[in-house]
Formats: sequence, structure tokens, C-alpha cells
Amino acid sequence: GAVVSQHPSRVICKSGTSVKIECRSLDFQATTMFWYRQFPKQSLMLMATSNEGSKATYEQGVEKDKFLINHASLTLSTLTVTSAHPEDSSFYICSARAQGVRGNQPQHFGDGTRLSIL
Amino acid sequence: AQSVTQLDSHVSVSEGTPVLLRCNYSSSYSPSLFWYVQHPNKGLQLLLKYTSAATLVKGINGFEAEFKKSETSFHLTKPSAHMSDAAEYFCVVSEEYGNKLVFGAGTILRVKS
Repeated sequence: GAVVSQHPSRVICKSGTSVKIECRSLDFQATTMFWYRQFPKQSLMLMATSNEGSKATYEQGVEKDKFLINHASLTLSTLTVTSAHPEDSSFYICSARAQGVRGNQPQHFGDGTRLSIL
Repeated sequence: AQSVTQLDSHVSVSEGTPVLLRCNYSSSYSPSLFWYVQHPNKGLQLLLKYTSAATLVKGINGFEAEFKKSETSFHLTKPSAHMSDAAEYFCVVSEEYGNKLVFGAGTILRVKS
């Protein structure tokens, strides 16, 4: 159980293109989804927290107009990298947190999206 | 503020020998602690979690971790390493009832045949 599907797994595109990444919780409902960025040989950095039906909460230094997040349902959140440039090339990972009766439910991660901007 | 320190960036063991990956944390709250594993170009898989129940936590693939409040540690162990255990491991702390995860820098585990 607790499977998170992320699509696409890899994107290569030209500078200036907008790229949409999908994150789906396949067998549970996720009121909260998270978007991370991972640079080579580094740990994960939280970009934003996505709550179903409301605006995403962005971490300091993350441009909300650059990284558009939509969490339209309890099983789907999308991250759109608008007008992507080479410095946006990175590994993007989503996670989803199940609705819990109480306590701290763990986050379950997708397999990530390798974004390469030429 | 919470923080996580993984004491070793790289650990190398021989197949069949014990594994020890060290983690110390700092938290103002009663923490929830997790270990995740990441294989190359993949997302993170949850190995185990501590949420103020038993201090010795058993996870998947034979891994376990012990929460020691007096030492603010949550070290990950496995009695016998397997080649498939080679990956990067992240120790993670989360505030109680919160969402935000704070990741350690990661420990790359190498398993020699």
C-alpha cells in the first residue's frame, strides 16, 4: 500500500519551455502533498507544501510564479516549471501524506522526475 | 528548530557483516523520526519510523533503529548486509503532528562482495 506515482520520470526540453509534473497517490487519499528538489549529491530540499483545495505554501526562496502548484483532488498534485531554464535542471520528487486519524503519518515518495533543460 | 546530523557521508561494509548508520537529531518537540532509503535515480522508500511508541523500531528488509533520547540518537542497523542494500540512506526528523520533514545530508552505503 501507500504508492505514489510520479510522471514523467524524465524530461529533456529546450530553454523557455514549461514542464508539468504529476504526482498521484494511487491507493490512499492525500490531503497534503510535498514537492522537493534534489541537487546532485545533496539531500532533499522542500520547495512547497500542497494542500488539497487551497493555495500551496512555498518555502523561502522558492518563486511561486516559477513553480506553479495545483492540488485539485485528494489524489493528484501537479508542479509546473514555467519558462524553464538550464538552472532549473534538477531531480524533482513529490511525496504524499495520508489522512490520519491522529499522529504523524509518514510521507510516501514518488520515484522522482529528472528534468534537464538544454 | 530541528536538525539532523548523519555522522558519516559514506559507509563501506562487506556482504554479510553488520551495518551501522549513525544519526543524531535536535528537536524542540517530541520528534517523529524516520529512515528512508534512496536507490539511484529513484524516490525515497520508507524503511522505518519512530513515533513515541517502542524505542526499538523494526523496519523492512531486516533494518531496525533504536531511539535513545538521552543521546539524541536514532542509529540504523542491520545484522547482515546484502548487496541490494547499497544505496543512500536519509535520517529524517519531523515535528510532532507536523508535516515538515528535515533531512539529514545522507549516508551512502557501499556493500563489497
